[in-house]
Amino acid sequence: AQSVTQLDSHVSVSEGTPVLLRCNYSSSYSPSLFWYVQHPNKGLQLLLKYTSAATLVKGINGFEAEFKKSETSFHLTKPSAHMSDAAEYFCVVSEDYGQNFVFGPGTRLSVLP
Amino acid sequence: NAGVTQTPKFQVLKTGQSMTLQCAQDMNHEYMSWYRQDPGMGLRLIHYSVGAGITDQGEVPNGYNVSRSTTEDFPLRLLSAAPSQTSVYFCASCSGGGYNEQFFGPGTRLTVL
Repeated sequence: AQSVTQLDSHVSVSEGTPVLLRCNYSSSYSPSLFWYVQHPNKGLQLLLKYTSAATLVKGINGFEAEFKKSETSFHLTKPSAHMSDAAEYFCVVSEDYGQNFVFGPGTRLSVLP
Repeated sequence: NAGVTQTPKFQVLKTGQSMTLQCAQDMNHEYMSWYRQDPGMGLRLIHYSVGAGITDQGEVPNGYNVSRSTTEDFPLRLLSAAPSQTSVYFCASCSGGGYNEQFFGPGTRLTVL
């Protein structure tokens, strides 16, 4: 069975400093991996997805994630945080090609001025 | 394209009442899902459908019913509302296959008194 662990429930950074949100997954097969962002009282927006074409994935708003099979990790990074990045971030794994997406518990990112 | 739409946006029910949350998508996606979001728990799958006439249970199906008579619509029925069903509900759709992501509706905030 697939599962997702997000190691930090809350991360706080200063504006202009790097962001690291950690995600580890468990999957029996080659998984699809995604990061979604949810701003307060909003729906979920796709940040990026791992498609097996490249291990380093670039997404919207300057975010990147690196797929490391040996570490079963898919950590999300951004070189410089912006106030507008403050939101909840969810790591998601799927191994059934659309039938079964499993969400991590989420990491709340706070950005301090 | 409107994408995934959900109605209503907000709903207050009394214990024991029934209601239907509506979800529609105009992207001709085969896969549709219902999730509930509770603080600290990410999104949990309630029911999903891989095509018209086909539905299956997710992680937390008790107290909910679904049907899929058309590709576009996937309503979620609460049979007899309980306070434990107070949550935010999200509908999602996906074209399936490969590494395709889910598209989410804006959510329905449900309170059961």
